[in-house]
Amino acid sequence: EDQVTQSPEALRLQEGESSSLNCSYTVSGLRGLFWYRQDPGKGPEFLFTLYSAGEEKEKERLKATLTKKESFLHITAPKPEDSATYLCAVQATGGFQKLVFGTGTRLLVSP
Amino acid sequence: NAGVMQNPRHLVRRRGQEARLRCSPMKGHSHVYWYRQLPEEGLKFMVYLQKENIIDESGMPKERFSAEFPKEGPSILRIQQVVRGDSAAYFCASSPATAQGGYEQYFGPGTRLTVT
Repeated sequence: EDQVTQSPEALRLQEGESSSLNCSYTVSGLRGLFWYRQDPGKGPEFLFTLYSAGEEKEKERLKATLTKKESFLHITAPKPEDSATYLCAVQATGGFQKLVFGTGTRLLVSP
Repeated sequence: NAGVMQNPRHLVRRRGQEARLRCSPMKGHSHVYWYRQLPEEGLKFMVYLQKENIIDESGMPKERFSAEFPKEGPSILRIQQVVRGDSAAYFCASSPATAQGGYEQYFGPGTRLTVT
């Protein structure tokens, strides 16, 4: 069964304090790994898709990387507006297109 | 350039009533997915539909839940005889028919169902 585990569950940073969020996964065959951001009371907002080990994607202060067993979301010099829950999901090959989500990392960035 | 639309945003039902949740996909998207997010839990896949077809309903509870995506109009998630355990946020996502731009799914704002 496909599984996604995210750590830590919660992370508190000072503004400007860089860190990384981890997403470990097991999947029969990886079609894609997805990162989303979710603010309280809202739907997930798409951030990145990664397809193969070694791939990296960047957007503003965020950089996502992928290995064969895990993905990292690196946050460089975060700002309070980066506070949100970050969700990781995988989509398997050879089947339908459902996403299997982790439970997320709640990030709080203090000024 | 409207995104995925869901209504209502909030829905209160008494035990035993029916709940109908609606989802209009992004313009140009013909694939719709429903997910449920229980308090303090992650998003769980329920069903994947294309126009007039259910493609994967492996995450749907066997009873009381049904989904459709008619040729015209929004996708509907229907919950009959609701129970307190159905209280959750229900999210709809959509994607285009082909994967030329990637396999990402775009989510709506969700419907928060409260069963009293």
